[in-house]
Amino acid sequence: DIQMTQSPSTLSASVGDRITITCRASQSIVSWLAWYQQKPGKAPELLITKASSLESGVPSRFSGSGSGTEFTLTINNLQPDDFATYYCQQYNAYPLTFGGGTKVEIK
Amino acid sequence: QITLKESGPTVVKPTQTLTLTCTFSGFSLSTPGVGVGWIRQPPGKAPEWLAVIYWNDDNRYSPSLRSRLSITKDTSKNQVVLTMTNMDSVDTATYYCAHRPASFSVYYFDLWGQGTLVTVSS
Repeated sequence: DIQMTQSPSTLSASVGDRITITCRASQSIVSWLAWYQQKPGKAPELLITKASSLESGVPSRFSGSGSGTEFTLTINNLQPDDFATYYCQQYNAYPLTFGGGTKVEIK
Repeated sequence: QITLKESGPTVVKPTQTLTLTCTFSGFSLSTPGVGVGWIRQPPGKAPEWLAVIYWNDDNRYSPSLRSRLSITKDTSKNQVVLTMTNMDSVDTATYYCAHRPASFSVYYFDLWGQGTLVTVSS
């Protein structure tokens, strides 16, 4: 199985900040990576696919980058609605695997 | 508009079999490329992919749970059913079904159901 490791596990930030979340794969997944946002009590919502392609309707302050084994999710000008938990998911190979999550909380 | 909704028991006893149904609308599981997957999430933990079934009846399972899982579809009813045998307390989680877009090269889930919490307890 491909292991996905996210860091940090928790991130404290303020509205207006720029934050970066890292996701590392245990082997190359090319660019087959998705990012999800999850709020308490809700299902995950898809933000980014193929490492850097923003889903329709996702604000442009979100961006993704990376390839191979290292990927980042960046949120510019953090908004109150962005405080949530973020997960990466590789889809290069079965079994599909998720990272452990990064909780973005208010500083 | 695509929607998915999970249904099934909220509590099961250890060793019992769990049967969950995903009822969806807004797409057809006979459309080439389309799939429906199941993902679970224990309280406070990350999601874990369980299984997926495709328009052509192809399916894939998590290797660690393969012996306990079965996924089937009823295209006429717009439903996908997941069964998991020999339930244990570690299987307590919110179970989600989700839509895989009609593409032949992507294996993520663009729309998810609201989830259903299943507790395993005697």
